[in-house]
Parts: sequence; structure tokens; C-alpha cells
Amino acid sequence: EVQVVQSGAEVKKPGEPLEISCKVSGYIFTNYWITWVRQMPGKGLEWMGMICPGDSDTRYSPSFQGHVTLSVDKSINTAYLQWSSLKASDTAIYYCAKRSTGATTSDHWFDPWGPGTLVTVSS
Amino acid sequence: QSELTQPPSASGTPGQRVTISCSGTRSNIGSNYVNWYQLLPGTAPKVVVYSNNQRPSGVPARFSGSRSGTSASLAISGLQSEDEADYYCAAWDDNLIGYVFGTGTKVTVL
Repeated sequence: EVQVVQSGAEVKKPGEPLEISCKVSGYIFTNYWITWVRQMPGKGLEWMGMICPGDSDTRYSPSFQGHVTLSVDKSINTAYLQWSSLKASDTAIYYCAKRSTGATTSDHWFDPWGPGTLVTVSS
Repeated sequence: QSELTQPPSASGTPGQRVTISCSGTRSNIGSNYVNWYQLLPGTAPKVVVYSNNQRPSGVPARFSGSRSGTSASLAISGLQSEDEADYYCAAWDDNLIGYVFGTGTKVTVL
């Protein structure tokens, strides 16, 4: 069974760094991209980017490029989302998910998802 | 970041059919598969339809999806109380070289 476990809630101050994690099991980690999605309070889902655990190739949404960093540790089947300097506007739930694929290269969807990590940034 | 357009809300009584629309452009829905996700408070999001019209194992048959041109839709037939949730469509966008999500639709069971 494929499982996605995310790190616990965080409360940080503006300007502080943060790294949250996404640990997967039940499949070959390096074979499937991991994607990250943000949900700000009371708002919809926003795609942040994705990383290929096999070679750490990354794709970022223009909205998040330069503000977050995606990485992986293949030895422990874990993906990371990192900020070097948080802002209050980073307060949100962050989801990671395995990008599942179908018969063609353009056929992909997010499944399963992790339960999300709530990040609160407040002075 | 562009978004796909969904109605903010939809509702129905138990047993009714509810349909949610998702409008995009040629670079996203017009060229790529559409997936639908269900968000229940406090739980991990779940895919209910993938590849335009495929239903994952475990998802009830009352959920169905379709795509035509630059629009897609999710239908819930025989609405049940446990279907009350937020639903989002999503697709890859060839211009953005990334994914776009819909604006989200809150389904209420009256």
C-alpha cells in the first residue's frame, strides 16, 4: 500500500527558515515525481512545483520560483520543501503527493496525497 | 498563475444529480487530461476522477467525469451526505509548463 506521511505542524516567525518533509512508502520512490500544493486559509489549491526523486530534476510554478526549494533524500524516501526566509503570507497548509502516471506521458494525476502540514508564520 | 474556472458552489438533496463545470483553455484542458480532487476538512485530498473520466478503485460509481473541448465536468449521481466537500479540477498547462487547478466548488447536500 502506498503511504504518504508529512511532518507535523510548524509555528514560525517571519524571516525564519523552515523545512517540511514528505515521507513515502509502498513503491519505488525514484520512479515517480513528487508534487507540492499550497492551500492558504480559506483559499483554493495552488500548484507549487514538483521534483523527480531519481535525478532531483525540479519544476517550479512561476509563482513560487525563487521563494521555495524542493529536494529529496533517496536513502530515506523523503521529499522536502524548504524556505530560507518565511513571510506571514506563507501561512498555509502544504500538501505533497505522488504523481501517478497512466499509459501515455501526458496522462498523470496526484495520488495519493499526504494529510498536509500546517505552517503558521506570525510575529 | 492562471486558474481553471469552476462555480463556487453547487447543491442538491440526497439522491439528486449534481454537476460541476471546469472551464479552461486550449493549452490546458484543450490539450491535456483533467483530474478531479475531493477535499474534506481535516483529511488528505483524494482523486475521484483521473484521465478525464476514469474512476480510481474505491471511488463510488456515482462519480463520473467528462471532457469536451476546453471544458470538463464532474457529475455526482445519487448525491449522498458524505459527498459534501470541496472539489477541484486540475490539468497540465503547456504554456505554463506546470499544473493549474480550478477555483474550487463547494458541494452542499441539503
